[in-house]
Amino acid sequence: NAGVMQNPRHLVRRRGQEARLRCSPMKGHSHVYWYRQLPEEGLKFMVYLQKENIIDESGMPKERFSAEFPKEGPSILRIQQVVRGDSAAYFCASSPSVAGSRDEQYFGPGTRLTVT
Amino acid sequence: QKEVEQDPGPLSVPEGAIVSLNCTYSNSAFQYFMWYRQYSRKGPELLMYTYSSGNKEDGRFTAQVDKSSKYISLFIRDSQPSDSATYLCAMSENRNAGKSTFGDGTTLTVKP
Repeated sequence: NAGVMQNPRHLVRRRGQEARLRCSPMKGHSHVYWYRQLPEEGLKFMVYLQKENIIDESGMPKERFSAEFPKEGPSILRIQQVVRGDSAAYFCASSPSVAGSRDEQYFGPGTRLTVT
Repeated sequence: QKEVEQDPGPLSVPEGAIVSLNCTYSNSAFQYFMWYRQYSRKGPELLMYTYSSGNKEDGRFTAQVDKSSKYISLFIRDSQPSDSATYLCAMSENRNAGKSTFGDGTTLTVKP
């Protein structure tokens, strides 16, 4: 049973370019979360999505960041016009669709974004 | 002030030692408590999950929650070099919230 998959694992972008990070949840999971981890820091919640719906985006920066989880295909975290401060590890997690199990989140290996 | 404060470490212990990792929190709405283990340049791995005060044991790991003091702990017995990792505590308000709030992590090294 494959776990949460993220790609690419490493992404290098120049300032001003766009970054697209992809996340495929575990089989049977329809809840996806994105977190950002800066060096020497814990994970900071960004956004929580279900299929075709954004449930909680309270951790998303107001500008340049967007996320989607379409009916078909992976969840996408998109960062427009990247700046050096966006350099971080971005982790995706998914959780089961069974009621009452939503907080058991399983993490992917992360995408390490470097902005030069 | 952060909602979740975690002992920063780093922590270095000899093999076989008992390890205690601790977090405090300020948000009394937190009801669910998790511990994750994260190896270098990997994603966090869920170790323990609990929602009530008291102790929960799983093999060499024991999670302890004291909601009255807003304090949680993870104990590792008979620590092994393979336990060397960063340990993250995480909390959420309810099972339907989705969002988890993490501590900054404690890096543990177990020396053979």
